[in-house]
Parts: sequence; structure tokens; C-alpha cells
Amino acid sequence: NAGVMQNPRHLVRRRGQEARLRCSPMKGHSHVYWYRQLPEEGLKFMVYLQKENIIDESGMPKERFSAEFPKEGPSILRIQQVVRGDSAAYFCASSLRRDRGREQYFGPGTRLTVT
Amino acid sequence: GQQVMQIPQYQHVQEGEDFTTYCNSSTTLSNIQWYKQRPGGHPVFLIQLVKSGEVKKQKRLTFQFGEAKKNSSLHITATQTTDVGTYFCAASYNQGGKLIFGQGTELSVKP
Repeated sequence: NAGVMQNPRHLVRRRGQEARLRCSPMKGHSHVYWYRQLPEEGLKFMVYLQKENIIDESGMPKERFSAEFPKEGPSILRIQQVVRGDSAAYFCASSLRRDRGREQYFGPGTRLTVT
Repeated sequence: GQQVMQIPQYQHVQEGEDFTTYCNSSTTLSNIQWYKQRPGGHPVFLIQLVKSGEVKKQKRLTFQFGEAKKNSSLHITATQTTDVGTYFCAASYNQGGKLIFGQGTELSVKP
């Protein structure tokens, strides 16, 4: 049973470019979460999605960031016009149900570097 | 907003010594989870605590949830070099799936 898959694992973008991060949840999981981890810091919740629905985007910056989880295909986190401060590790996690306390399985992350 | 405070930020121990990390919330938690992240790796789920006063053990690891469900701790007995990594608590409030992570405690073990 394949785990959560993320690609690319490493992504380098120049300031002003767009970054697209992909996440395929574990088989059978329909709940996806995105977290951002800055160097030497903990993980910050960004957005929670189900298929075709954004459930909670309270952690998403208001501008330049968007996320989707289409009916078919992976979840996408999109960052437009990247800036140096966007450099971080972006982790995707999935869970079986949205129950409070359902453990989340994390992917290997995408390390984004903005030059 | 909701915040989970975790201390200490770093802990350096000699192999064989014990280690403890603590998490505190100003508001009552629905439940708390613990994750371990190795250097360069991703968070890996360790355990979930739900009941007030709950204590769970996994070999040398002991997890506790406070009576008021506002604090939790992870204790490792007789650390080994394989215990190296950052330990995070992650809180779930009455809002569904979102997890609020503590800042993490980075554990280094000197052989």
C-alpha cells in the first residue's frame, strides 16, 4: 500500500515564478491537508480539502496561494509569484476520515527554494 | 488563535539518559497526537491520546494526557541514538481534521 506521494521532492524557483506542488493521498484516503514548515520551526496548517471541496483554508495566505483537490488526480498547492519568504518544506498529509483525532499520514514533502 | 506551546526547544542527552518533552494549551483539547520527524524527513505518527488522564506506553516511550486535557508529555526512558529527531505534539480542537502543531523538541543523543 503506497504511502502519501509528493512531487517534486525539491523545487527551485526564481522570484516571480509559479510553483506547483502535487500530492497523491494514500489509497482510500479522501481527506488531504497541507502544512508548511519553515527552517527550524514547527508545521503550520495551511488548508484542508476533500475531493472537489475546500473544507478549511484558515491557514492559507490570502494572496498568491491556492489549493485544489479535483475529482481525478492529485491535490495541487499553487504559489503564484513566489518570493524568498515562500522557501520552506511543504508537507501534504492524508487521513481516512475527518474524525477529530484521526491520525494523519505525511508525505516526504516538497522543499521549495526561491532564489 | 489556538496555540500549543512545547518545551524545551532542544534537549541534548547522553545515551542512556531519560528525555521528556511537554506540551501545553490554554484551552481544552479534543485530543492530542505525537509525531516524530527525523532530520531531513517527514513527520511520522506515534500515538493519539483522547481521554482525560490517559497514559499510553510504547516500549521505552510513555505518553500522558493531563486531567484537564490541556497538557501532555512524552517521556523516553534510557535514550538510544535511534531516538534522535524532533518530537512534535499536535492538537486537535473541536474543528475537525486540522492539527495545531507545537514548535517541537529537537532531541540529540550523544553515544
